[in-house]
Amino acid sequence: QVQLQESGPGLVKPSETLSLTCTVSGDSINFYYWSWIRQPPGKGLEWIGSIYYGGDTHYKPSLKSRVTISVDTSKSQFSLRLSSVTAADTAIYYCARHGGVYGNAPFDYWGQGTLVTVYS
Amino acid sequence: SYDLTQPPSVSVSPGHTASITCSGDNLGNKFVCWYQQKPGQPPVLVIHEDAKRPSGIPERFSGSNSGNTATLTISGTQAMDEADYYCQAWDSSAGVFGGGTRLTVL
Repeated sequence: QVQLQESGPGLVKPSETLSLTCTVSGDSINFYYWSWIRQPPGKGLEWIGSIYYGGDTHYKPSLKSRVTISVDTSKSQFSLRLSSVTAADTAIYYCARHGGVYGNAPFDYWGQGTLVTVYS
Repeated sequence: SYDLTQPPSVSVSPGHTASITCSGDNLGNKFVCWYQQKPGQPPVLVIHEDAKRPSGIPERFSGSNSGNTATLTISGTQAMDEADYYCQAWDSSAGVFGGGTRLTVL
């Protein structure tokens, strides 16, 4: 059974960089795509970006200037960095697995999510 | 950017059929997935490739997609189906979610 676990600071100050890591267990990180998805409290889901195990990345255009996603296959981990955060970046951050970035590529496994609060 | 539009809320009586729509430009040319999210939990995939159910998802969940609208149908709705539902598709290598629909079973 594939398991994903997010980790990282739960509090970040405005203008600083949010950093999260997702650790994958139960299956190889290879041959899949991995995404970060967030959900502000009481609101809907927002896709942030994805990375292929080989390193190819895709980002939501409106966040692209602030987002970096990286992968470390040796540790079965992928990471998110979101710079210059504001209160609008307060959300539950999920990591998820999928098989592609077009066509039929559902998010079939999700982490439990981690709440990141931007506070001043 | 590509947008997916869902009704904010849908109500259904137990045992009846609930339909949740998701609209987008030429959405029928894309594959749509549906996710169920209950409070405090991550989303769960209930429909992929427009109409296919993952293992473990009850047969009462079905989907369709044509033209500009995809529809999630829950037949014989049960109290346990009360949740938020999100549609999702890929556009230009970017993931897109609908705004979500809260299904109330009353």
